[in-house]
Amino acid sequence: SAVISQKPSRDICQRGTSLTIQCQVDSQVTMMFWYRQQPGQSLTLIATANQGSEATYESGFVIDKFPISRPNLTFSTLTVSNMSPEDSSIYLCSSGRGNEQFFGPGTRLTVL
Amino acid sequence: GESVGLHLPTLSVQEGDNSIINCAYSNSASDYFIWYKQESGKGPQFIIDIRSNMDKRQGQRVTVLLNKTVKHLSLQIAATQPGDSAVYFCAESRGNTPLVFGKGTRLSVIA
Repeated sequence: SAVISQKPSRDICQRGTSLTIQCQVDSQVTMMFWYRQQPGQSLTLIATANQGSEATYESGFVIDKFPISRPNLTFSTLTVSNMSPEDSSIYLCSSGRGNEQFFGPGTRLTVL
Repeated sequence: GESVGLHLPTLSVQEGDNSIINCAYSNSASDYFIWYKQESGKGPQFIIDIRSNMDKRQGQRVTVLLNKTVKHLSLQIAATQPGDSAVYFCAESRGNTPLVFGKGTRLSVIA
């Protein structure tokens, strides 16, 4: 299994600001994924980030709101831009080999 | 810490009993299924997986059953322990597509 770390683990932000979340994997992986988990809900895929190409966004998520970087095979960032209280959520990074996906501990974001 | 799954269905089980958590999946073309366990304040943790060419797979104290006819997946936990208390999610995928998660069930173990 892959070991995945995220920074920050939690943050409280003011509306209108942006937060960049970092995800580090302990081995090289082709695909990395970003999920959102709103309070009391399941996980929803935001986008798939492959190294060397633009991220692929799911319906309802756009690059202007959630820009993603994937500079190498072990690292990715997700930015939550122009935040509003509705963006309060847990943001999870995931990666894997084949079908198996492993998750980071999540970043707990509260927007005031 | 803050809990996930505050509004999810809850299954309460006596310690030592067996637990059965059910999941209905949506895509009949899905060929790979995973169960995850998520404890409060943590990311989902892989428990067990199964491919569509199987209908049963066993791990340590856990068994996953797949019924493709009715698109149903279940997770059985034998001799449930307090450490099993968590939210459990099923997830499905087809080919190399990313996982799609089910709604989740909170398992509460009564000591």
